[in-house]
Amino acid sequence: AQSVTQPDIHITVSEGASLELRCNYSYGATPYLFWYVQSPGQGLQLLLKYFSGDTLVQGIKGFEAEFKRSQSSFNLRKPSVHWSDAAEYFCAVGLLLSGTYKYIFGTGTRLKVLA
Amino acid sequence: DTAVSQTPKYLVTQMGNDKSIKCEQNLGHDTMYWYKQDSKKFLKIMFSYNNKELIINETVPNRFSPKSPDKAHLNLHINSLELGDSAVYFCASSQRGGVRYEQYFGPGTRLTVT
Repeated sequence: AQSVTQPDIHITVSEGASLELRCNYSYGATPYLFWYVQSPGQGLQLLLKYFSGDTLVQGIKGFEAEFKRSQSSFNLRKPSVHWSDAAEYFCAVGLLLSGTYKYIFGTGTRLKVLA
Repeated sequence: DTAVSQTPKYLVTQMGNDKSIKCEQNLGHDTMYWYKQDSKKFLKIMFSYNNKELIINETVPNRFSPKSPDKAHLNLHINSLELGDSAVYFCASSQRGGVRYEQYFGPGTRLTVT
């Protein structure tokens, strides 16, 4: 069955440190890949997306993600974390199954930033 | 201007009641969605409408009935509320249906059933 795995439930980093959030998917073909961020009490906001082409994609707020087909991964990175980045991060895939499209979200990674 | 708005933001009600959550988007999008986010933050799609037509209907109890009076509105009506319905419900919209389009989310409605 198709799935999205975010193996880290919680991550804590110091402000200014680098960040990598992991995402793996299970699907026979390359799906459409997304990263969303959810600040406390807010809805989700798109950070970046990958459909095809260059496997390193840039997003908003200084985030980037790299698609690795061999590892079925789409990890999110940021070179220097700011306190305002503390939030919940969701990886999602969009895929077509039997003529119907589906969105599947990972279970999220909660990021805590230490001052 | 709020792109995707939901009302109410909080909803506390008793088991067995019927309640509705309203959603409106002013982005001119064709497709709207309802998601349920449980206490563990797991986000699962419930319904999707494209131009007022139901296109995704996941395994959801038939106590949940979406209604789309026009393509800018997608309301969620829930009959005979149960404790397990307590969650945050998000409305979202996208320019078109299909996996390549970004979704814009509303702020959520926190439903508490007592």
